Amino acid sequence: ELKVEQNPLFLSMQEGKNYTIYCNYSTTSDRLYWYRQDPGKSLESLFVLLSNGAVKQEGRLMASLDTKARLSTLHITAAVHDLSATYFCAVALYNFNKFYFGSGTKLNVKP
Amino acid sequence: DAGVTQSPTHLIKTRGQQVTLRCSPKSGHDTVSWYQQALGQGPQFIFQYYEEEERQRGNFPDRFSGHQFPNYSSELNVNALLLGDSALYLCASSFGLGSTGETQYFGPGTRLLVL
Repeated sequence: ELKVEQNPLFLSMQEGKNYTIYCNYSTTSDRLYWYRQDPGKSLESLFVLLSNGAVKQEGRLMASLDTKARLSTLHITAAVHDLSATYFCAVALYNFNKFYFGSGTKLNVKP
Repeated sequence: DAGVTQSPTHLIKTRGQQVTLRCSPKSGHDTVSWYQQALGQGPQFIFQYYEEEERQRGNFPDRFSGHQFPNYSSELNVNALLLGDSALYLCASSFGLGSTGETQYFGPGTRLLVL
């Protein structure tokens, strides 16, 4: 069974600071997804990473994938309060749409 | 373009009862997956339907069953409810069985409380 581990699980940071969330997974995969979830809401797709070395950026968020290390990172630049949410990474095995999710990183950006 | 829709939004049941949750996929999508998200946890895969058949299943007991209709909508049924079944149930849709790597689109969820 594929295992997905995120760290940290909780992150409290000041506005304007930078930080990185890490997502490690246990089985070879080249399909990595990042989602955002606001309290009481569903999951919003942020990034789709489908190859080794893939890097995607949207606003203050940048995601990357290293399939050899089985590691993805979500980097936050100059955090703002609106980024406060829980962030999940999910891994899918090749050619399947069964997603394995991490436990999530709850981010709180303090004004 | 309507996204993924789910009904009902909230549901309260008692132990031993049965429940049916419904999902309509995003327009153009033909694959529906169901996930259970317990409070403070990541979603756990229950099963996936494509062409009206269950294609993949997660580590959930047979009390959890489903169905997909010709219009691609889907139902999740849970029998003999347990307190531990209380969770947010998410439906996700996609096209095909994931060969292109496209992301799944999630619905708003049904929050089930079992008393």
